[in-house]
Amino acid sequence: DIQMTQSPSSLSASVGDRVTITCRASQGISNYLAWYQQKPGKVPKLLIYAASTLQSGVPSRFSGSGSGTDFTLTISSLQPEDVATYYCQKYDGAPRTFGQGTKVEIK
Amino acid sequence: EVQLVESGGGLVQPGGSLRLSCAASGFTFSRYWMSWVRQAPGKGLEWVANIKQDGSEEYYVDSVRGRFTVSRDNAKNSLYLQMSSLRAEDTAVYYCARDFLTARRVTSDYWGQGTLVTVSS
Repeated sequence: DIQMTQSPSSLSASVGDRVTITCRASQGISNYLAWYQQKPGKVPKLLIYAASTLQSGVPSRFSGSGSGTDFTLTISSLQPEDVATYYCQKYDGAPRTFGQGTKVEIK
Repeated sequence: EVQLVESGGGLVQPGGSLRLSCAASGFTFSRYWMSWVRQAPGKGLEWVANIKQDGSEEYYVDSVRGRFTVSRDNAKNSLYLQMSSLRAEDTAVYYCARDFLTARRVTSDYWGQGTLVTVSS
């Protein structure tokens, strides 16, 4: 099975900082990559699919890029409400494996 | 408004069985693949299984294949997860999620609030 590896596992940044999270697939998955945000005690929310397509209603400070094996999620200007754990997930086929998550905190 | 409401969680002994349900509303249930995703306490997300619109295809993560069965009743707008031979490592919040089709693949766009399954003696 294809493994998904995120880095870093956690990060702390200041409000207004640019934040980048990476996700690497152990084999190529084209652009079948989604990013989810899970705020503390809340249900996961879809941010991005097809590696770079922003889900409706998601703020434009979120963006995604990549194809094949290497992907990134970028928050252009970190806001207090962005405190959450972020997960990548491949969906090229079953199993639809998630990365281990990246916890984002405010410094 | 899309709503997914899970039920059926609880405490079960190792080796036992449990059936989870997910009631869907606010969309045409029969037009969507549906998934189950779980999250162990304090841990990350794990995709468990999904099922095609008409129930003709099912897929599972290796760790549950042969023990869990996903099914659906489109007339009742309901999704189910029959879990048997439960183990301590199956302890998790189980989420029901709607899958949407994009470029011939499906990924989840709406999630329920989840139901907690605890496997313990």
